[in-house]
Parts: sequence; structure tokens; C-alpha cells
Amino acid sequence: NAGVTQTPKFQVLKTGQSMTLQCAQDMNHEYMSWYRQDPGMGLRLIHYSVGAGITDQGEVPNGYNVSRSTTEDFPLRLLSAAPSQTSVYFCASSSQGQGGGYTFGSGTRLTVV
Amino acid sequence: GENVEQHPSTLSVQEGDSAVIKCTYSDSASNYFPWYKQELGKRPQLIIDIRSNVGEKKDQRIAVTLNKTAKHFSLHITETQPEDSAVYFCAATKNDYKLSFGAGTTVTVRA
Repeated sequence: NAGVTQTPKFQVLKTGQSMTLQCAQDMNHEYMSWYRQDPGMGLRLIHYSVGAGITDQGEVPNGYNVSRSTTEDFPLRLLSAAPSQTSVYFCASSSQGQGGGYTFGSGTRLTVV
Repeated sequence: GENVEQHPSTLSVQEGDSAVIKCTYSDSASNYFPWYKQELGKRPQLIIDIRSNVGEKKDQRIAVTLNKTAKHFSLHITETQPEDSAVYFCAATKNDYKLSFGAGTTVTVRA
């Protein structure tokens, strides 16, 4: 099992550009989430999914879109990048039977200039 | 939504001493409380968790306690070692898939 795989690991964008952060898991987990991590603010939930075809907003969804067409993949789209979106992004997955113990991907460090 | 507060933000302990991190939560319906450890430049990793029907759980040198009435839970690390130096996050949820995290505690173990 590769676990949770995120790509790319690093990305620099110009203000206004769009991009997609990829996330894939091979553990057949129902739950997947995207978090952003900023210094002193912990991990804040952007969007989450409880299964294929089902997504919902988290705490900080503005400027981001998600979709979940398959159980394995949960891409995060930045529509028009802004400097405020400079952050480290983590994708995570969990199984309903696992009781909420999320497995995190290795993260994507995004800088918007 | 759920609001989780975590204290202290930084903690420095002598090797061999104990470390305690405390978290409070706002939603009385929350029933699952995991703790994550994040080493520098790495991903968060689950180290221990507790459900609301349990008051305490131990795993070797780490333990978590939960006080549902007061809506707070704590992480205890005994006999700290240099490899315990990391950022620790508490979290709470009522539905397993929507975790709310605390702001984190940076623990430094002094040799």
C-alpha cells in the first residue's frame, strides 16, 4: 500500500493562476479531507468527502473546489490563486470502521507570488 | 461548529521529565478525540486517540485523559526523550470524518 499520495510536493504559482493538487489513496477509505496548515493556526479543514460523489465544505472553503468521482481520488482545485493561499496542504483519508484515525499524505507546499 | 483550544503553544522539558498538553472543546456532541504528532517537515501522524465512553487510555509512555463534563482532554508524555520533540495537535469530532484541530503545541525536549 502506498497510503495517501499527494502531488506535487512543491509548487509556486503566480497570483490569478489556477491549479489542481492531486490526492490519491489505495486503502479503499470512504472519508477524505483536505486541510491547510499555517503557522500558529493548526490544521484547518477546506473540504471533505464521505464517499464517491459526496463532498462538503469545511471551515475555509473559499477559493477552492473539490470533486470525488472515484473512491481513490480527491483533487483540490485552486480557482484563482491568491497570496493568502500560500500554505502547506495536506490530504487525508480514513475508513468508517477506523474510527476517525486519519492517515495524512506528505503534503504540498504552495507559494503564491 | 466545533472549536478546539490547545495549551500551551510551546513546551520545553528536561529529558526524562513529563509533558502535559491540554485541550478544550466546545461541542458537547463530540465523541472522538485523536492526538497527532508532526515532526519537522513531515506529515501529522496519529499517536493515540480516545472515545467519549472512555476516561483514560495509555500506550507505553503516552496517555490521554478525557473529562466530558468539563469538555477537556489532555495528552501526557512520561519519561520524555529527544525523539519526542515535535509539534502535537489535538482534535475533536462528533462524526469521525470532520476533525477540528487545535493550534498545536511545540514540544522541545532538552538533553
